[in-house]
Amino acid sequence: ETGVTQTPRHLVMGMTNKKSLKCEQHLGHNAMYWYKQSAKKPLELMFVYSLEERVENNSVPSRFSPECPNSSHLFLHLHTLQPEDSALYLCASSQVAGAHNEQFFGPGTRLTVL
Amino acid sequence: QKEVEQNSGPLSVPEGAIASLNCTYSDRGSQSFFWYRQYSGKSPELIMSIYSNGDKEDGRFTAQLNKASQYVSLLIRDSQPSDSATYLCAVTTNSGYALNFGKGTSLLVTP
Repeated sequence: ETGVTQTPRHLVMGMTNKKSLKCEQHLGHNAMYWYKQSAKKPLELMFVYSLEERVENNSVPSRFSPECPNSSHLFLHLHTLQPEDSALYLCASSQVAGAHNEQFFGPGTRLTVL
Repeated sequence: QKEVEQNSGPLSVPEGAIASLNCTYSDRGSQSFFWYRQYSGKSPELIMSIYSNGDKEDGRFTAQLNKASQYVSLLIRDSQPSDSATYLCAVTTNSGYALNFGKGTSLLVTP
């Protein structure tokens, strides 16, 4: 088990629901990331935070809204999702954001949108 | 679109053999290269990182990097059934902030 935890581990939601995913890292890192992993596709970067500031986001639909209140916590707020958003959502952290920085992943949240 | 390419496999090797996993990438500006192992239903686990040309060894694992050829590989010596997993190659983006991943190579080590 890594020093990155995610809750909930499984989530089923309807298209009109609002839910949030939570990530917490206990490694003293300053950068946190959200990735999406769908079947048959590579991991896709969604958002990067460095020292609580968003430094990169990759054309993610506005129905996904990240929040990073401090360097240890990261949230992904979900609303009016589509069935194609069903995937494994992975949080990761690294010492800092940048090259030569190893990223460590949490266990993921398996999301199913009905 | 910067890409990371891997053969999807499955790559099947007998127990005790050397497994060789390959990865090519398109972004010449990439500086850092990583190999992750992902068991079915689990999250990726970092097993190797490499930043300069040449070989890097850690136990049974050796990562090899050739930036001129834009090629990175992972060798697993004395393969064990517990090594059966999907191996993901990851390369830093040009911004350096995040990783581009390949789709992964499925490795099966048969007893």
